[in-house]
Amino acid sequence: NAGVTQTPKFHILKIGQSMTLQCTQDMNHNYMYWYRQDPGMGLKLIYYSVGAGITDKGEVPNGYNVSRSTTEDFPLRLELAAPSQTSVYFCASNKDSYEQYFGPGTRLTVT
Amino acid sequence: AQSVTQLGSHVSVSEGALVLLRCNYSSSVPPYLFWYVQYPNQGLQLLLKYTSAATLVKGINGFEAEFKKSETSFHLTKPSAHMSDAAEYFCAVSGGGSTLGRLYFGRGTQLTVWP
Repeated sequence: NAGVTQTPKFHILKIGQSMTLQCTQDMNHNYMYWYRQDPGMGLKLIYYSVGAGITDKGEVPNGYNVSRSTTEDFPLRLELAAPSQTSVYFCASNKDSYEQYFGPGTRLTVT
Repeated sequence: AQSVTQLGSHVSVSEGALVLLRCNYSSSVPPYLFWYVQYPNQGLQLLLKYTSAATLVKGINGFEAEFKKSETSFHLTKPSAHMSDAAEYFCAVSGGGSTLGRLYFGRGTQLTVWP
């Protein structure tokens, strides 16, 4: 049981480029989440999904897109990357117990 | 709407001293409450959770937290700090209604342990 996995671990992106952060969970969880973490700001919810085919915006969705075609995968797409998107991105999942399980994170720099 | 306030962005203690990290929440529904720990360059790991059973909750690594409804608090304590406790700690409260399943996080408290 690998839990929640994220790729890549690190990435440097040029301004205006696009990329997809991958997230996969093998726990058959129906809920999945994307957060960004900035120093001193805690975790901010970007997007979340309550099941395959269903996604919704969180607190800070601008500049991002998601899709959820399977229970296991929840990729996060950055279009036209901006320096403000430099952050650490965490994917998480849960079922019905509210406890969320986190991946190891992706450290993204936009320069 | 749910929100969490963690008092003190940085806490420093000596090894062997009491650790007290403060968390207050606001919630429109009976809450579930969580403490997570994040070690450098890692993801968040669950320390403990309150899910409306016992108000004193014991977690991993000797940590515990007490749910006090009258004070809307869920402070995290450990009787004797260890160097390995140095990390960032996050308090979180569950959503309800249309935000069921979501967690709302505080800004975090960085714990430093001095030898």
